[in-house]
Amino acid sequence: ETGVTQTPRHLVMGMTNKKSLKCEQHLGHNAMYWYKQSAKKPLELMFVYNFKEQTENNSVPSRFSPECPNSSHLFLHLHTLQPEDSALYLCASSQARGQGNTEAFFGQGTRLTVV
Amino acid sequence: GQQLNQSPQSMFIQEGEDVSMNCTSSSIFNTWLWYKQDPGEGPVLLIALYKAGELTSNGRLTAQFGITRKDSFLNISASIPSDVGIYFCAGNDLEYGNKLVFGAGTILRVKS
Repeated sequence: ETGVTQTPRHLVMGMTNKKSLKCEQHLGHNAMYWYKQSAKKPLELMFVYNFKEQTENNSVPSRFSPECPNSSHLFLHLHTLQPEDSALYLCASSQARGQGNTEAFFGQGTRLTVV
Repeated sequence: GQQLNQSPQSMFIQEGEDVSMNCTSSSIFNTWLWYKQDPGEGPVLLIALYKAGELTSNGRLTAQFGITRKDSFLNISASIPSDVGIYFCAGNDLEYGNKLVFGAGTILRVKS
């Protein structure tokens, strides 16, 4: 069993659809993240949750809506996306401590294609 | 937001050669991390560094946390075809709220 599991692995959706990405971590961590990775671009941090509270929204459009019901699960709800939102969406988790977070462990990602 | 300067952006190497890549930052880091990402997969942690000057190995990989705490390098010895992928450095930036920031990546291609 992998430490961070993302589902689905691949998703194709129309611009008027609503879908959700799911992430689950089995590492006992208290911080979870969503990253976006587009072709030929660096990893872009989208959202950070520490102890289930959102601590960062990196100017992400409202068509992306995160949800963190507990420290083990993280969702990314998608609606009315644009073709330029097509990318690999990565979830990660880490342990938040006083001197910063420990190393982050990533899921395998969801390859999203918006048509 | 803060980004690390990672170089080179890409490289071709002959199988069996040694590889070196590095990251620099204008601010002090608490940790340095090196990840590898295969196509269509998430990044996998290779090496984590926690102390200035620390030198750590993981098989053919060696990484060091710079004395100034503003740089790190990763060396791969005797490269093989499965070393192909994207290598990312990352670190906790003290001046950026201790957030984990990533370099842009080094694409490694091996000539077999």
